[in-house]
Amino acid sequence: DADVTQTPRNRITKTGKRIMLECSQTKGHDRMYWYRQDPGLGLRLIYYSFDVKDINKGEISDGYSVSRQAQAKFSLSLESAIPNQTALYFCATSMIRGSYNEQFFGPGTRLTVL
Amino acid sequence: GENVEQHPSTLSVQEGDSAVIKCTYSDSASNYFPWYKQELGKRPQLIIDIRSNVGEKKDQRIAVTLNKTAKHFSLHITETQPEDSAVYFCAAMEYGNKLVFGAGTILRVKS
Repeated sequence: DADVTQTPRNRITKTGKRIMLECSQTKGHDRMYWYRQDPGLGLRLIYYSFDVKDINKGEISDGYSVSRQAQAKFSLSLESAIPNQTALYFCATSMIRGSYNEQFFGPGTRLTVL
Repeated sequence: GENVEQHPSTLSVQEGDSAVIKCTYSDSASNYFPWYKQELGKRPQLIIDIRSNVGEKKDQRIAVTLNKTAKHFSLHITETQPEDSAVYFCAAMEYGNKLVFGAGTILRVKS
């Protein structure tokens, strides 16, 4: 089945390290998103991309960067990780055709910054 | 930008009872309102959605209502079952086709 996948699923890193979270999808969707989930704060948008040449900042982009390497791949980087970036990170994809615009989420990456 | 508030943050009900979760939004231009369910350790998944030209939508035991004038929408689950226990998120789609999520409601169904 077409799916959204994320690697790694879990990552422990130290303050100041650069890390990359990767997202791949086989759904053929044009639009991809990175969200961060914290308890009591819901899902907050970090960056989004509507096609390969399009990158947009979301609500909480400071400290993060992204790369859309291909239609199917969207990576999130933390240039210098800090402890308050400890969270659950989700990638999502969608297509908007007519009135259909459901977002499909990946399984998540649990990141711990020590 | 859009702001979505969700209440309650936690909700406990007895199996068989109904559960209602309410959300308010700030941007009158928002026109799409999905609800996602996230089971423990799993990814969020869409369970129902509603568009601004519709007042109510039902799918078996779940329903969503929308009041555009008051800028609020609600999720209704009837005849709750233990497998309904999860975190539920409402969202509103703002200009630019971005979803803004509420903070989530932890629903516990006691058997």
